[in-house]
Amino acid sequence: EIVMTQSPATLSVSPGERATLSCRASQSVSRDLAWYQQKPGQAPRLLIYGASTRATGIPARFSGSGSGTEFTLTISSLQSADFAVYYCQQYNNWPPWTFGHGTKVEIK
Amino acid sequence: EVQLLESGGGLVQPGGSLRLSCVASDFTFSSYAMSWVRRAPGEGLEWVSGISAAGGNTYYADSVRGRFTISRDNSKNTLYLQLNSLRVEDTAIFYCAKAMAGTLGAFDIWGQGTMVTVSA
Repeated sequence: EIVMTQSPATLSVSPGERATLSCRASQSVSRDLAWYQQKPGQAPRLLIYGASTRATGIPARFSGSGSGTEFTLTISSLQSADFAVYYCQQYNNWPPWTFGHGTKVEIK
Repeated sequence: EVQLLESGGGLVQPGGSLRLSCVASDFTFSSYAMSWVRRAPGEGLEWVSGISAAGGNTYYADSVRGRFTISRDNSKNTLYLQLNSLRVEDTAIFYCAKAMAGTLGAFDIWGQGTMVTVSA
């Protein structure tokens, strides 16, 4: 099973600042990596797939990068709607499809 | 509007059973693999089970294998998850999720979730 490790667990950021979230896989997942956003009481929402492709309707301030075992989600200028928990997930080696434990982005 | 709508959650005693359903609308359900993903209170997302588009291949997390059964009825645009021998640690919100075309496991559409509570 591929273990996904996200860091940091919590990120405190001021509105308008840049946020950088990291995700590491225990073995290579190529570029089969997705990022999701989840707000309290809501379902997860796909942000990024293929490590760097934005899903339909996702603003350009969200960008993904990386390949192999190291991945990054960058939110270029945080807006109030972006404070949430973010998960990475690999879909290269399955089953199981595995998620990281999440990074909570909170208001500083 | 493309959407998934789950139902069937509730309160059940340890050892009990539930059947979750997920009805899909506004997309060709039979063309896509589907999965169930859960989130326990205070925890992160955990993939539980998946099924191929035609239903011929099923997959399970080790934590549920032998207790949960995934199935689908493409004529009814419905995904199911039969939960047997439930444990307290199965308490979670269960989401159904649609896999993107060409993948089995990048999930682009999610339902709103149904809560399963296992407690005596």
